[in-house]
Amino acid sequence: AQSVTQLGSHVSVSEGALVLLRCNYSSSVPPYLFWYVQYPNQGLQLLLKYTSAATLVKGINGFEAEFKKSETSFHLTKPSAHMSDAAEYFCAVSENQAGTALIFGKGTTLSVSS
Amino acid sequence: NAGVTQTPKFQVLKTGQSMTLQCAQDMNHEYMSWYRQDPGMGLRLIHYSVGAGITDQGEVPNGYNVSRSTTEDFPLRLLSAAPSQTSVYFCASWETGKGYTFGSGTRLTVV
Repeated sequence: AQSVTQLGSHVSVSEGALVLLRCNYSSSVPPYLFWYVQYPNQGLQLLLKYTSAATLVKGINGFEAEFKKSETSFHLTKPSAHMSDAAEYFCAVSENQAGTALIFGKGTTLSVSS
Repeated sequence: NAGVTQTPKFQVLKTGQSMTLQCAQDMNHEYMSWYRQDPGMGLRLIHYSVGAGITDQGEVPNGYNVSRSTTEDFPLRLLSAAPSQTSVYFCASWETGKGYTFGSGTRLTVV
């Protein structure tokens, strides 16, 4: 069975600092991996996705993630945090392109201080 | 292009009442899902559909029914509301290679 573990339910950084949000997955087949962001009182928005092409995936708002099969990880990074990045971030895994079994992690809340 | 539309945005129910959460998408996506979001739990899959007339259970289906008579609509029915169903509900539709498009959610409180 597939699963996702997000390390750290809450991450705090200063504006301009590196953002690193950790995600490890478990899957018996090559996975499809996603990062979503949720701003307060809004739905989820796709940041980026890995679908077996390039292992370094670039997303919106300057975020990127690297798929590391040997570490079963898909960590999300951004070189320089902005106040507007404060939100909740979800990592998700699917074992098929159909998306009928998308499993989400429990989320990481990112706080950015000035 | 409205994407995924959920109604209502907010609802308060009494224990034992029934109601239907509406979800409609205009992107002609075959795959649609319902999730509930609870603090510290992430999103959990309730039911999903791979096309009109086809539905299946997800991780937490008890107390909910779905149907899919058209590609566009995927309503979620609460049969007899319980306080444990207090949550934020998200409907989403999926496009291969792009992932999910989520609705803006329905915040449900059961008292």
